[in-house]
Amino acid sequence: GIQVEQSPPDLILQEGANSTLRCNFSDSVNNLQWFHQNPWGQLINLFYIPSGTKQNGRLSATTVATERYSLLYISSSQTTDSGVYFCAAYGGATNKLIFGTGTLLAVQP
Amino acid sequence: DVKVTQSSRYLVKRTGEKVFLECVQDMDHENMFWYRQDPGLGLRLIYFSYDVKMKEKGDIPEGYSVSREKKERFSLILESASTNQTSMYLCASSSTGTSSYGYTFGSGTRLTVV
Repeated sequence: GIQVEQSPPDLILQEGANSTLRCNFSDSVNNLQWFHQNPWGQLINLFYIPSGTKQNGRLSATTVATERYSLLYISSSQTTDSGVYFCAAYGGATNKLIFGTGTLLAVQP
Repeated sequence: DVKVTQSSRYLVKRTGEKVFLECVQDMDHENMFWYRQDPGLGLRLIYFSYDVKMKEKGDIPEGYSVSREKKERFSLILESASTNQTSMYLCASSSTGTSSYGYTFGSGTRLTVV
């Protein structure tokens, strides 16, 4: 099955800084999603992005399917951006979403 | 607004008890999933279902079973709870067709087995 790897595992930022989170996947994908897990455990969809680029406010994501990676950009970070960011994917005939182990982001005031 | 609802936010059970975790979605999604999340291990798939009365094992099904009698409801059952099943349990649903939203998750059930 698909393997999903995320980097970095941990990240500490000062408020206002920009950051890039990376997700590598081992095979072609039909579904690639980015999630943010808030401190209460809720997983929030950020992007559904099997290919191309999308933007939503200070966040944007790019997936280069041919090179099997996706990037999540966070600009002008805020303390509310803290939490765990997960990348997840599936491909082929399966509908099972496979998760990376996440990036733990802490934004300090 | 689309919603996946898990019946309990926090649950404490005793070793050996039979435990039911309930999940309901209001999006008419065909697919439903149960994951558990543990520190350092990310989310791991326990069971999933593509349709009513259908179920398939995920990556860590041992010690669990599931039930899907209605399209909107997917139950996870711990037949005899053990301390190593203490974890955060997350339910999700998705549509089989092309979707711009992918998976939608519930808010999770934090289960402690003592």
